[in-house]
Amino acid sequence: AQSVTQPDIHITVSEGASLELRCNYSYGATPYLFWYVQSPGQGLQLLLKYFSGDTLVQGIKGFEAEFKRSQSSFNLRKPSVHWSDAAEYFCAVREYGNKLVFGAGTILRVKS
Amino acid sequence: DTAVSQTPKYLVTQMGNDKSIKCEQNLGHDTMYWYKQDSKKFLKIMFSYNNKELIINETVPNRFSPKSPDKAHLNLHINSLELGDSAVYFCASSPAGITEAFFGQGTRLTVV
Repeated sequence: AQSVTQPDIHITVSEGASLELRCNYSYGATPYLFWYVQSPGQGLQLLLKYFSGDTLVQGIKGFEAEFKRSQSSFNLRKPSVHWSDAAEYFCAVREYGNKLVFGAGTILRVKS
Repeated sequence: DTAVSQTPKYLVTQMGNDKSIKCEQNLGHDTMYWYKQDSKKFLKIMFSYNNKELIINETVPNRFSPKSPDKAHLNLHINSLELGDSAVYFCASSPAGITEAFFGQGTRLTVV
């Protein structure tokens, strides 16, 4: 079974600062990777996905992620964080049947 | 024009009761899912249906019974509710093939 590790439970960044959220996955034949965001009391919204091709993928809200097979990582980045980015972020990997295996999540706090 | 909608959004009930959560998607997707998010925000799949057929049934107590009357609906019935069933339950759907899942807003179930 595949697994996803998000090493950081909480991250606090200043508004306008850059952000990187870490995600490591266990080896799969072809990892299909996702980042979702959950705002308080809301459902999960897809930020971006990686299936194949260019290892740097662009998503919504100015987010990007880079797939590094050698490091089994799929870190999420944003060059300048806005207060509205405060939320919980989940990395996920696809298993059989389009089942998603999620990491434990990283809570992002943005200080002004 | 909500894509994946769940009802109710909040559900408070006593131990031992039976309750249902309804889910409908208007995206024309073939596959629907139920995920459970526990108090630590950990997300785990419970069930997956493809065109009304059960595809994934994770290790879930048989008090939980999904029902898919048609491919646009996947309801979750829970018998003899226990305190540990308190969680947020998310419905999701995805089209055929390798792709992302689209999530509903969640149903917060509190068992007292």
